[in-house]
Amino acid sequence: EEQLLESGGGLVQPGGSLRLSCAASGFTFNNSPMSWVRQAPGKGLEWVSAISVSGGMTYYGDSVKGRFTISRDNSKSTLYLQMSSLRAEDTALYYCAKYRGSGTNYGMDIWGHGTTVTVSS
Amino acid sequence: EIVLTQSPATLSLSPGERATLSCRASQSVGPYLVWYQHRPGQAPRLLIYNAVNRATGIPARFSGSGSGTDFTLTISSLEPEDFAHYYCQQRGRTFGQGTKLEI
Repeated sequence: EEQLLESGGGLVQPGGSLRLSCAASGFTFNNSPMSWVRQAPGKGLEWVSAISVSGGMTYYGDSVKGRFTISRDNSKSTLYLQMSSLRAEDTALYYCAKYRGSGTNYGMDIWGHGTTVTVSS
Repeated sequence: EIVLTQSPATLSLSPGERATLSCRASQSVGPYLVWYQHRPGQAPRLLIYNAVNRATGIPARFSGSGSGTDFTLTISSLEPEDFAHYYCQQRGRTFGQGTKLEI
């Protein structure tokens, strides 16, 4: 069964840092572009970041550019999101998701259940 | 940045009725528009990719149409489990703000 399991969420103070992880199983991780998507309380889905199969290409939403870094370790089938300079508006449920196919144009067909990040003093 | 605008924000219908949800892009996204269903407490579920193709396991009552800037998700006859939030997304990046489909 194809699965994604996020971890690393928690409570962090404004200005702090946190690293999220996403462990993949049941599919060929090193053939799949990957993404992070978040949902703030009471809000809709927001695309955060994406990474190519090799990790050589990364993409970010405007709200996190310069503060968040996406990476992957294909030997461990794990996706990461390093978050720094965190703000209250980064409070959200963070989902890890796999893109359908070899590109990013065809949607995300496998999702984790998310890990919660709360930024508060 | 391409902006996706979904309408209506909320759609109130009954089981058995037809639902029509709209997604408009601020500039052309070609055919690269997908639709998701999101139920509370669950992970989002891919319904439609390339504007018109149903994802694996998606019932035939879900259909997508459109290209360029105007797209539609149609649910032909609503089942109780279809009442949820629906989002469009372009090129694997920005999402629309969502449509809540309520009973």
